[in-house]
Amino acid sequence: AQSVTQLDSHVSVSEGTPVLLRCNYSSSYSPSLFWYVQHPNKGLQLLLKYTSAATLVKGINGFEAEFKKSETSFHLTKPSAHMSDAAEYFCVSLLGGSYIPTFGRGTSLIVHP
Amino acid sequence: EAGVAQSPRYKIIEKRQSVAFWCNPISGHATLYWYQQILGQGPKLLIQFQNNGVVDDSQLPKDRFSAERLKGVDSTLKIQPAKLEDSAVYLCASSQGGKDESGANVLTFGAGSRLTVL
Repeated sequence: AQSVTQLDSHVSVSEGTPVLLRCNYSSSYSPSLFWYVQHPNKGLQLLLKYTSAATLVKGINGFEAEFKKSETSFHLTKPSAHMSDAAEYFCVSLLGGSYIPTFGRGTSLIVHP
Repeated sequence: EAGVAQSPRYKIIEKRQSVAFWCNPISGHATLYWYQQILGQGPKLLIQFQNNGVVDDSQLPKDRFSAERLKGVDSTLKIQPAKLEDSAVYLCASSQGGKDESGANVLTFGAGSRLTVL
């Protein structure tokens, strides 16, 4: 079975400080992993994806994620938060041979001025 | 390219009434997904189509929910009769149905249809 666990339901940061959103996966196979962002009343937008080509993945809007097999983690980071980053973030996994995506519960990012 | 289109964006109904949601995926995308997102939760897969065949519908409450994808393009999700707990955003997504050049199966989502059951 595959699943993703987002360790924090809410993360609160000040504008200009680093962002860390945590995601752990459980899978017997090499997964495909994604981060999606959902702004209020908007659809889900792909931030970045991991497919085994490189362990450090760069996405849009300055976000990055690093795949660490030894830790079964795929944490999302950004060096400096902007107010516009306030949104819900979802970690999503796909088993190597599956096309059935599984979502984590989401992490709400709150950015204070 | 045009995105995934969904309608209606908002719907308010009384319990026990019926409702239908429509989705038009990105042209050429073989795979179509319907997700249910209850407030404060992550999206839950209801049904996945590959062309006009069902790949997975294990979490679809079949006593009240139905979905079809005739001709392998547009899809309709129906709820009849609706219950209070069906209040949610219904998200449609589509993908190529296989791995892209990066080796990933990337989903593109529509804006969603927000259902309120009173």
